[in-house]
Amino acid sequence: DAGVIQSPRHEVTEMGQEVTLRCKPISGHDYLFWYRQTMMRGLELLIYFNNNVPIDDSGMPEDRFSAKMPNASFSTLKIQPSEPRDSAVYFCASSLARTEGKQYFGPGTRLTVT
Amino acid sequence: KNEVEQSPQNLTAQEGEFITINCSYSVGISALHWLQQHPGGGIVSLFMLSSGKKKHGRLIATINIQEKHSSLHITASHPRDSAVYICAVRSEDTDKLIFGTGTRLQVFP
Repeated sequence: DAGVIQSPRHEVTEMGQEVTLRCKPISGHDYLFWYRQTMMRGLELLIYFNNNVPIDDSGMPEDRFSAKMPNASFSTLKIQPSEPRDSAVYFCASSLARTEGKQYFGPGTRLTVT
Repeated sequence: KNEVEQSPQNLTAQEGEFITINCSYSVGISALHWLQQHPGGGIVSLFMLSSGKKKHGRLIATINIQEKHSSLHITASHPRDSAVYICAVRSEDTDKLIFGTGTRLQVFP
């Protein structure tokens, strides 16, 4: 298996633009997680899905952030409009079971908003 | 005070040394994770444990639920172990993962 795939790996955009980050989880995994990592706040869970359904989005910082999982093999995290403080590395992870399963992380997308 | 505290923040060692990284937490938990983040940024989940001890190769993770403390040990450390090690706990009240700020380990040859 190729592991969790994220695209793009790097994204540089101007403030106010829409940004879409993409994730393909490991086939057969039924949980998908979106994380954000910054120097100031470390790793934070933004949202997670179980069987394509959002279960907990309380970590999403504000309404500018939205996430979807239209099918078992694809998820997006969208920021509209983007702001410089959104600059971070965004990780996607998947697992077989939320509490018992090991999470497998993607390589991350480094987002820079100027 | 952070709900998850790691110590030390930074650690340097000579190749072959025994390494211990500590994680203390102040909330009730259902599970604790140890993650490894390589210098390139990639994150690997090392262990998930809720009691006792787990071992994988040269890595050993222990947890003491009563004392709210976990340790990650690396035996016979190697330069390729150089990474940031992150402790995360799942709160039994909120069911959310709470992350520590990480311990940066550098192992020199």
